[in-house]
Amino acid sequence: LAKTTQPISMDSYEGQEVNITCSHNNIATNDYITWYQQFPSQGPRFIIQGYKTKVTNEVASLFIPADRKSSTLSLPRVSLSDTAVYYCLVVGGYSSASKIIFGSGTRLSIRP
Amino acid sequence: DVKVTQSSRYLVKRTGEKVFLECVQDMDHENMFWYRQDPGLGLRLIYFSYDVKMKEKGDIPEGYSVSREKKERFSLILESASTNQTSMYLCASSPMAGGAARDTQYFGPGTRLTVL
Repeated sequence: LAKTTQPISMDSYEGQEVNITCSHNNIATNDYITWYQQFPSQGPRFIIQGYKTKVTNEVASLFIPADRKSSTLSLPRVSLSDTAVYYCLVVGGYSSASKIIFGSGTRLSIRP
Repeated sequence: DVKVTQSSRYLVKRTGEKVFLECVQDMDHENMFWYRQDPGLGLRLIYFSYDVKMKEKGDIPEGYSVSREKKERFSLILESASTNQTSMYLCASSPMAGGAARDTQYFGPGTRLTVL
């Protein structure tokens, strides 16, 4: 399984764009990159998943360079409600779900 | 909307007690999971079930067992609770048969268990 490295914490201000980068140097050909968001006192929630280049949905964008050794979650114009922990996962397309590792995540704090 | 519910938000038990944590999902998902979450350690998988009566051990199964007699319900059992099992317990489900790692997981709100 590819190990991921992401910053422990980040701070930003309302209205800014926030980019959280995740490093996964040992990513395999069949691996996908998935991000989850967790608010205090709640379970994690799926945000976005991608394999290569760029994926965008109503919540975020995910940028994956050609070598796929890193990825960047981009949150446009954040608000106070985006304060949460964000987890980057690298998951194999054919691996069992029992092999998923969440890691410690990035704690994002948004200030007024 | 997928709904995953857990029987209690907060639970306090004594050392040595048998503890049952219940999880129910209402979307006919194939797979169900139990995680524990501790500060600085992220989420760690305890057990995973890919079908009724079928289970796989996760990273930290010691001291826990599970039961899945019906598709919608997955129970985590602490046979003899200990203080080092004080934690937040999170249940999740995912839809696709085969339990693929890339399948989206839907989480419940969590149960904060304190063992005294």
